Parts: sequence; structure tokens; C-alpha cells
Amino acid sequence: EVQLVESGGGVVRPGGSLRLSCAASGFTFHDYGMTWVRQVPGKGLEWVSAINWNGGSPGYAESVKGRFTISRDNAKNSLYLQMNSLRAEDTALYHCVRGGGYNHLDCWGQGTLVTVSS
Amino acid sequence: DIQMTQSPSTLSASVGDRVTITCRASQTINTWLAWYQQKPAKAPQLLIYKASNLEGGVPSRFSGSGSGTEFTLTISSLQPDDFATYYCQRYNSYPWTFGQGTKVEIK
Repeated sequence: EVQLVESGGGVVRPGGSLRLSCAASGFTFHDYGMTWVRQVPGKGLEWVSAINWNGGSPGYAESVKGRFTISRDNAKNSLYLQMNSLRAEDTALYHCVRGGGYNHLDCWGQGTLVTVSS
Repeated sequence: DIQMTQSPSTLSASVGDRVTITCRASQTINTWLAWYQQKPAKAPQLLIYKASNLEGGVPSRFSGSGSGTEFTLTISSLQPDDFATYYCQRYNSYPWTFGQGTKVEIK
């Protein structure tokens, strides 16, 4: 069974940093691109970032470009999102999702909540 | 960036109704479009990929069509389990974008 389990969320002050992690299991991790999608509770979905199978060609939403960095460790079956210079508008549930490049998002984690507040 | 516009934002329908949701892209995206269903407090689930391909395990009452800039998701006979919010999403090039969502409510 495919599983994606996010961790690392929490409460952080504006301007602070957080690193989200996603532990993948149940599939050959290095065969897939991976993506982060966020959702403010009660609102729509927002694509944040994606990375291809070997860690190359990352993409970022304009709203996070220059502040967030996506990375992966295929030896550890893990995906990461380093979030710096956090703003109140980054407050959301962050989902780790299988898929990237020209591949649709076919498996979603339950998400980790990030709250940016003073 | 290519924007995705879904319509309607909310749809009221009854069990057994045929339901159609539309998604329009501001530029052509070929068939690089997916549809997702999300229920309250749950992660989204993939329904349709590459505009018209049904994901495994998804009931055949769901179908997708379109190419270029206009796409539709159709539920042929709405079931109680289908009351949810539906999103389209393009994945032809970064940055990817989602539509704003269509909430299907009980009439």
C-alpha cells in the first residue's frame, strides 16, 4: 500500500523557518516525481513545488519562489520542503503528493499543518 | 502563468442527476489535465488524468473529456457518495495550477 506521511509542521513566527518532511513507502520512490500542495482550511488547493525523480528540474509557485526549497533523498525514501521567510499567508495544510513533471498527482498524504503567527 | 477557471463554483443536484463541471484554461494545455475529488477533512483523490483517463478504482459513472482549453467532468448518475468538492488541475508546465473548485451539494 502506498503511504505518504508528512511531518515537521507547527507554529512559527513570521520570518521564521520550518522544514517539512515526507516519508514514502509502498512504492519505488526513485521512480516518481514528487510534489507539495497546500490548502488553507476551508479554501482551495494551491500547488507549491515539485521535483523530478532524481532531484532535478524543481518548480515553484510564484508565491514561494526564492523562499522555499524542495529536495529529496532517494536513499531514505524522503521528500523535503525547506520553508524560509515564512509569512502569515503561508499558513495551510501541506500535502506531500506522488507525481511531478508530466505526471498527475495520484497519491496524497494527509498533510501537516503549518501556522505562521506572532 | 496559465490560469484555470472552473464553473460553476457550486452546484445543487439530486441523486440520479447527470452533472457536468467545466474547466477552462487561459492557454492551450493539450490534454494535460486532471480531476480530483475532495471530501471534508480528507485528502483529495485522483479521478481522471490526461483529460479522459479514468484512474483505477474510480466508478465508471465519472468521465472526462476535452483538449486544448476546454474540459469537462461528467458524473452520469450522481450517487450519495459523490457529494464533494471537485478540482481540475493542469500539469503541462510549471507552475502548475488548480481550478478554484466546484462544490456539489444536495438539492
